[in-house]
Amino acid sequence: DTEVTQTPKHLVMGMTNKKSLKCEQHMGHRAMYWYKQKAKKPPELMFVYSYEKLSINESVPSRFSPECPNSSLLNLHLHALQPEDSALYLCASSPSNYGYTFGSGTRLTVV
Amino acid sequence: GDSVTQMEGPVTLSEEAFLTINCTYTATGYPSLFWYVQYPGEGLQLLLKATKADDKGSNKGFEATYRKETTSFHLEKGSVQVSDSAVYFCALSDSYGGSQGNLIFGKGTKLSVKP
Repeated sequence: DTEVTQTPKHLVMGMTNKKSLKCEQHMGHRAMYWYKQKAKKPPELMFVYSYEKLSINESVPSRFSPECPNSSLLNLHLHALQPEDSALYLCASSPSNYGYTFGSGTRLTVV
Repeated sequence: GDSVTQMEGPVTLSEEAFLTINCTYTATGYPSLFWYVQYPGEGLQLLLKATKADDKGSNKGFEATYRKETTSFHLEKGSVQVSDSAVYFCALSDSYGGSQGNLIFGKGTKLSVKP
């Protein structure tokens, strides 16, 4: 298995909803990442987990809450989002500096 | 801090034309360099990589050479196809003492190939 799987592929949520994005990999990678990508922009790093511990939080608002239940899973819990949070959310994993594998992303729309 | 600069797009070419997308970087350590491709509506796919100076990465007819003297990693393809239409991101990952680096992206270059 050489993939990073993200679910759901599309999500529409209201500003008072609570939802979660899920990311899964079975490549034994010990670093996992959440990125946010707005239209026509490069991905922006949000969080990094290394060996299941949060190692980097790029000043992300608390309405985004990451969780790494085990070495294969990464979740992003969403609560009280704003319309400007609408974006493509990408998960990635990496064993080292020699390549990051990205998932196909969750396209989130906040209404 | 570390940064990546790539040529502004969009780039429009006819099928079978030669492609060059310029990428230069600034880094204090010993970065690994990457090209990622993003097709419409999809996530990022690793196209090729190089981990040290003078390495040449290649894949699907694309190639790029890690030039430390010019701090560059230009992407080239001899004959583009309509299916190559996508956004291309140059990126670097730096490491310090073997620790995990994080990806730093250029702004992306949109390529459109016309039949």
